[in-house]
Amino acid sequence: GEDVEQSLFLSVREGDSSVINCTYTDSSSTYLYWYKQEPGAGLQLLTYIFSNMDMKQDQRLTVLLNKKDKHLSLRIADTQTGDSAIYFCAEHPNKLIFGTGTLLAVQP
Amino acid sequence: EAEVAQSPRYKITEKSQAVAFWCDPISGHATLYWYRQILGQGPELLVQFQDESVVDDSQLPKDRFSAERLKGVDSTLKIQPAELGDSAMYLCASSLLGGSTGELFFGEGSRLTVL
Repeated sequence: GEDVEQSLFLSVREGDSSVINCTYTDSSSTYLYWYKQEPGAGLQLLTYIFSNMDMKQDQRLTVLLNKKDKHLSLRIADTQTGDSAIYFCAEHPNKLIFGTGTLLAVQP
Repeated sequence: EAEVAQSPRYKITEKSQAVAFWCDPISGHATLYWYRQILGQGPELLVQFQDESVVDDSQLPKDRFSAERLKGVDSTLKIQPAELGDSAMYLCASSLLGGSTGELFFGEGSRLTVL
């Protein structure tokens, strides 16, 4: 079945690095994604990685992909209070399937 | 900057009543999606349109939910009758390339509370 899993909550201090983890199920996904949802808002695409890559860096964001273990992670360097939000990973075998979301709380 | 517009932002209704949500996608985006997001969960696809045609409605509870996109632009999602379990955020999204790269643009959502 389709099941994308994430830990529910992560708390970090401002300036620290955050690592949000995700496991997915469908190895046929061409792309894997990270979306961000701020309170009361819709989702916004943060970054994505092509399935034949194992790492992608985009400014403060680093995405790591382990296809063998079907594990995806998002690292946010120098986490700021404005990064507080819910982060969803998503796989795309033939349609976008979202994980349960990880609430990131950044303490000043 | 172009945005996906949704209305209403908030809707409170009693069970057994009818409710409707409206979405206007980004101009030029042929693909439109309706997602339901229950509190504490990720969004779940209800229906996907390509222009005016339904591409995927496998998760749409068709006994009470209906969706249309008559002219291939804006769309309406209707629930009749509403049930307590329908309380959720209803998100509309659109994409330029049929979602093949997964880049969807979301509206701010319509939060439904059924009493």
